[in-house]
Amino acid sequence: KNEVEQSPQNLTAQEGEFITINCSYSVGISALHWLQQHPGGGIVSLFMLSSGKKKHGRLIATINIQEKHSSLHITASHPRDSAVYICAPGRGSQGNLIFGKGTKLSVKP
Amino acid sequence: DAGVIQSPRHEVTEMGQEVTLRCKPISGHNSLFWYRQTMMRGLELLIYFNNNVPIDDSGMPEDRFSAKMPNASFSTLKIQPSEPRDSAVYFCASSVQVYTEAFFGQGTRLTVV
Repeated sequence: KNEVEQSPQNLTAQEGEFITINCSYSVGISALHWLQQHPGGGIVSLFMLSSGKKKHGRLIATINIQEKHSSLHITASHPRDSAVYICAPGRGSQGNLIFGKGTKLSVKP
Repeated sequence: DAGVIQSPRHEVTEMGQEVTLRCKPISGHNSLFWYRQTMMRGLELLIYFNNNVPIDDSGMPEDRFSAKMPNASFSTLKIQPSEPRDSAVYFCASSVQVYTEAFFGQGTRLTVV
């Protein structure tokens, strides 16, 4: 069983829709990162969180440490949000990241 | 700051050749990570350094892979000899500390033919 499970693997949405991407993990973590990878390949860190909720513009990330679950929400989605979103928990004892397989989001105009 | 700088951006080499990938972390960052991304396996940690010291190299696939960080502003990942299955995108990332936000370089796309 993978240590990090993301769902869905692929997601197609219409512009303006509310998007939710889920991440479950089985290891103890220090913090969890959400990364965004655009078709050009570059990786950008969106959030790092260890509890509660963080908001940045139209993006919201939540984490429930007890349930070992995190979600990434995108409000009022836009075609420029089209990318692969990767959940990356940081191992509690070591701090290094482990990665989900990613969710490929495509937002249609 | 220019961010994490990796070179080269693309590398094509023949099987058996030595390949060296380079990374310049963000100034002031104490932790540096090397990752590999393939279609089959996604992103994987290869090795990471804290204060120039290798902390965990359990992700390094074989003895053909080696990484060094001679000073706080430079790291290399070397593959010798290279094999076609090493073809991947190699990312370097740095952070202030291991547990803080990581900043990624643009990656080096390696193709071994």
